[in-house]
Amino acid sequence: EVQLVQSGAEVKKPGESLKISCKGSGYSFTSYWIGWVRQMPGKGLEWMGIIYPGDSDTRYSPSFQGQVTISADKSISTAYLQWSSLKASDTAMYYCARAPRGDLDYWGQGTLVTVSS
Amino acid sequence: EIVLTQSPGTLSLSPGERATLSCRASQSVSSSYLAWYQQKPGQAPRLLIYGASSRATGIPDRFSGSGSGTDFTLTISRLEPEDFAVYYCQQYGSSTFTFGPGTKVDIK
Repeated sequence: EVQLVQSGAEVKKPGESLKISCKGSGYSFTSYWIGWVRQMPGKGLEWMGIIYPGDSDTRYSPSFQGQVTISADKSISTAYLQWSSLKASDTAMYYCARAPRGDLDYWGQGTLVTVSS
Repeated sequence: EIVLTQSPGTLSLSPGERATLSCRASQSVSSSYLAWYQQKPGQAPRLLIYGASSRATGIPDRFSGSGSGTDFTLTISRLEPEDFAVYYCQQYGSSTFTFGPGTKVDIK
C-alpha cells in the first residue's frame, strides 16, 4: 500500500527555522517525483515545487523560489520542506504528494504549521 | 505561468442532479496534462481525473473529465451525498504547475 506520512504539527515564532518531512512507503521512492502543496487557512491549493528523489532534481514555483528549500534523503525514503526564517504568512497546511506524471495521486495527511509571536 | 480559472465559484445542487464544472486555462495545456481533485473539509485532496479524462484508481464512473487546449470540464453524472466538496483543477503541462481556485459544490 502506497503511503506518505508527514511529520506532526508545528508551532513556531517568526524568524525561526523549520524542516518538515514526508516519508514514503509501499513503492519505489526513488522512481516518482514528490510535490509540495500549500493551503493557507480557508484558501485554495498552491503548488510549491517538486523533487525527484532519485537524483534530487528540484523545481520550484516562482512564488516559492528562494522562500523554501525542498530536499530528499533517498536512503530513508523521506522528502523535506524547510524554511530558514519563518513569517506569520507561512501559517498554513502543507501537503506532500506523489507525482507520477505531474498529477498527484497519493497525498500525505498534511502538516499544519503555525507561526505566531 | 498558466493561470487556471474555475467556474462557477459555487454550485448549489441536489443529490441525484448532474454537476458540470469548468476549468479554463490562460494558454493551451500541452498534452492535456490536466487533473481534477476533490477536497472535503479536514481532509487531503483526492485525485479524481488525470490526463484530462482518465479516472484515477478507485474513482466511480459517475466522475468524468473532458476537454483539451484551454477548456476542460469535470462532470458528475448523478451527485451522491459524499460528492459535496470543493473541486480543483491542476495543470502540469508547463514547467510551473498551477491549481485553479476551486469550485464548491454544496447542497441546495
